[in-house]
Parts: sequence; structure tokens; C-alpha cells
Amino acid sequence: DAGVTQSPTHLIKTRGQQVTLRCSPKSGHDTVSWYQQALGQGPQFIFQYYEEEERQRGNFPDRFSGHQFPNYSSELNVNALLLGDSALYLCASSFPNYGYTFGSGTRLTVV
Amino acid sequence: QKEVEQDPGPLSVPEGAIVSLNCTYSNSAFQYFMWYRQYSRKGPELLMYTYSSGNKEDGRFTAQVDKSSKYISLFIRDSQPSDSATYLCAIQTGGFKTIFGAGTRLFVKA
Repeated sequence: DAGVTQSPTHLIKTRGQQVTLRCSPKSGHDTVSWYQQALGQGPQFIFQYYEEEERQRGNFPDRFSGHQFPNYSSELNVNALLLGDSALYLCASSFPNYGYTFGSGTRLTVV
Repeated sequence: QKEVEQDPGPLSVPEGAIVSLNCTYSNSAFQYFMWYRQYSRKGPELLMYTYSSGNKEDGRFTAQVDKSSKYISLFIRDSQPSDSATYLCAIQTGGFKTIFGAGTRLFVKA
């Protein structure tokens, strides 16, 4: 049973560019959450998708947007990249009121 | 004040020691409490999930929640070098988001 898969695993972008990260949830999970984890920090909540709608959003600017598809997979888009956007981006899938299953993340470096 | 506070460590212990990891939180309305383990270059892995005060045991791991003090703990018995990782406490707020502590880096020396 495949867990959460994320692509790509690593990415290098230039300031001002746009990036799209992808996530396939664990089989049977219908909820996808995205987190940003800076080096040495805990994951910070970006947003959660359920039934193709953004259900809740953390304290991130509108440059961060997402989408969930009918098969529950999801994308995270970041526009106008800043150096401070360099981080590990984690996708997590879940059932309601249960813990997350995380992917291994996408390491984004902005230069 | 941060919603979840966790000492980042690092914490270094000899093999076989009992490890105690702790977090405090600020909002008494928080309902669900979790511990995750994160190895280097990997995503976090759920270890324990609880929603009530008291203890929950799973093998060598015990999670403890004290809602009156807003304090949660994870105990690891007979620690092994393979337990070396970052341990993240996490609290689900009753909405949809989960708030994570900064993580405690644990090193278990053989």
C-alpha cells in the first residue's frame, strides 16, 4: 500500500519564479494538508483541502495557492518566489480526527 | 506566546536510558495530542495519538497528557540508537489544522 507520494523530491528555483509541487495521498484518504518546514523548525500549516475545496488556511500570503483534484491528489503553487520560501514542503493526508500520514517532502531551494 | 512550546534540545542519552520529551501548550480548548518522529531527510511519522488526559502506552513508548497543566510528554523506555531522530509534539485544535512544536533532537549513543 503506497503511502503519500510527493514530487519532485528536490527543486532549485530563482527568485521571482513560480513553482508547482504535487502530492498523491495515501489510498483511502480524502483530506490533504500542506506544511512548510524550515530548517530546525516544526512544520507550519499552509492549508488543507477536502472535497476539492480549501477548508482552512494558515498564516501564509496569497502567493501560496493550491488545488485538489477529484482523485484527491493535490498541488501546491507558489508564485513570485522569495529566498525565504526555501524549505521542505510536506504533504500530509488523513481521515478526520486522526493523525497525518506524511510524504517525504519536496526540498525547495530559492537562489 | 507560541501556541505550542517544545525544547529543541539536542538531548543526548546512552543506550538503554529512559527518555522524557515534553511540550506545553497555551489553549485549553485543544483536543487531540500527537507525537511524531522525523528522521533526517524524511517526513514526520505518527507515533502516538490521544485525546484524553492520562497515559497511553504502545510498546516502548508512553504518551502522557495533563490537560489541567496543559502539558504533554513522551517517554521512551530502553532507548536504542535507532530512536535517534527529531520528535515533534503536535496538537489538533478542533478545527482542521494541526500545530507542531519546533521538535526535540534526540541522540541515543551506543
